[in-house]
Formats: sequence, C-alpha cells, structure tokens
Amino acid sequence: DAEITQSPRHKITETGRQVTLACHQTWNHNNMFWYRQDLGHGLRLIHYSYGVHDTNKGEVSDGYSVSRSNTEDLPLTLESAASSQTSVYFCASSETAYYGYTFGSGTRLTVV
Amino acid sequence: QQPVQSPQAVILREGEDAVINCSSSKALYSVHWYRQKHGEAPVFLMILLKGGEQKGHDKISASFNEKKQQSSLYLTASQLSYSGTYFCGTEDSGGYQKVTFGTGTKLQVIP
Repeated sequence: DAEITQSPRHKITETGRQVTLACHQTWNHNNMFWYRQDLGHGLRLIHYSYGVHDTNKGEVSDGYSVSRSNTEDLPLTLESAASSQTSVYFCASSETAYYGYTFGSGTRLTVV
Repeated sequence: QQPVQSPQAVILREGEDAVINCSSSKALYSVHWYRQKHGEAPVFLMILLKGGEQKGHDKISASFNEKKQQSSLYLTASQLSYSGTYFCGTEDSGGYQKVTFGTGTKLQVIP
C-alpha cells in the first residue's frame, strides 16, 4: 500500500545545530508540503513543492529550507535550530487538492 | 492569513448536533475539512469547491458560501468517535493547491 512516512518520530537537539527531518511518500504525488503544529496556531505552512526541483516558501519559512531532487522525498532542514522551532512537524502530499492531503504521522522536535 | 474558526472548543453529549464555522478574509477557491485525533495526523474529510455546494459524509456535512467566504461543518447525532480537533483549510482563488489551515476547533463528545 502507498504511504507517507516521516522520520524520526521524536528528536531532541541542541540550539544551533543543523537538523534534517525526512519525508518519504510512495503515492507518486507531485505536491508535497511541510507544516508545523503549535498550540493555538493550528497548522502553519513552512515550505511546499509542486514537483522535482520546485520549492516555495510558506508563511513561516524563516530558518527552514527544503530541496526536491526526486518525486518521493522532501527533506526539511533547520539550518540552526532555535527553541522557537520546538514543535510537531507534519509532512503532507497530494496529487491534486481535490482529493485532499495525506499526512505523515509527524515528527515531534524539541530544541534545548 | 489563517481562516478563523469558531467555536474554539465544544463539548457535546452523544446524539447532539454541532456546527463549526470557518471564515476567511480572502476570496476562496475551495474549503477543506480535516479531523485530527489526539496524537495522530489530520485526516481529510471533504472538500467544497466554489459554487455553494453542500457535501455530506455519513452524518457529517458541510456548506460553502463563496460570497461570504465562509464554510460550516455540521455534525449530526454525534458519536464518541467524532471527538477530535477539526480544521478547516482554505485555498485562495488562484487554486494553487496550497491550503492554509485555521487554528482548529476541539470537539469532545461525552456519553
């Protein structure tokens, strides 16, 4: 069965370190998205991609970067982790928005 | 800008009905609705496209008024399994498949 997987599920890192969160989907979806979820803010878009080599900034992109070298993967990198980036991160994919997004199980990141 | 959802939280007894509202300051192409149970990923419920359509999903239905840039989610005869946080998501009029989510409505159904 097709799926979207995120790794790791939990991570603790230190302030200033570079961190990469993985997202891998086998749906063959062109569209992939990264959101962060914080209490009181809901889901906020960090970066998104409509296909290979395409990346776009979302509303809270400062301090984050992504790259899309193939259809299956959209890794999210925190260049220099800050305590404000402690959050739950969700990756999602879709073929078209008409069928909705499929979300991964999330990565809980704690920056200490 | 995130759409605004109301209420922020609601507690229901089994069998009662509820309405969750979502409004945007922007012209919309579509509205999505998702449900997220505690500790899990959001799950897609339905999408409504501009045109004022109403859709149903078991005893959960929704409407979309594009002129008012508002959508409402209707939960009828609520069940314990309906508990969770409901998010609306909006696509701007360009329809670029990028969804902006609201802050969520926490729904708790009690026996």
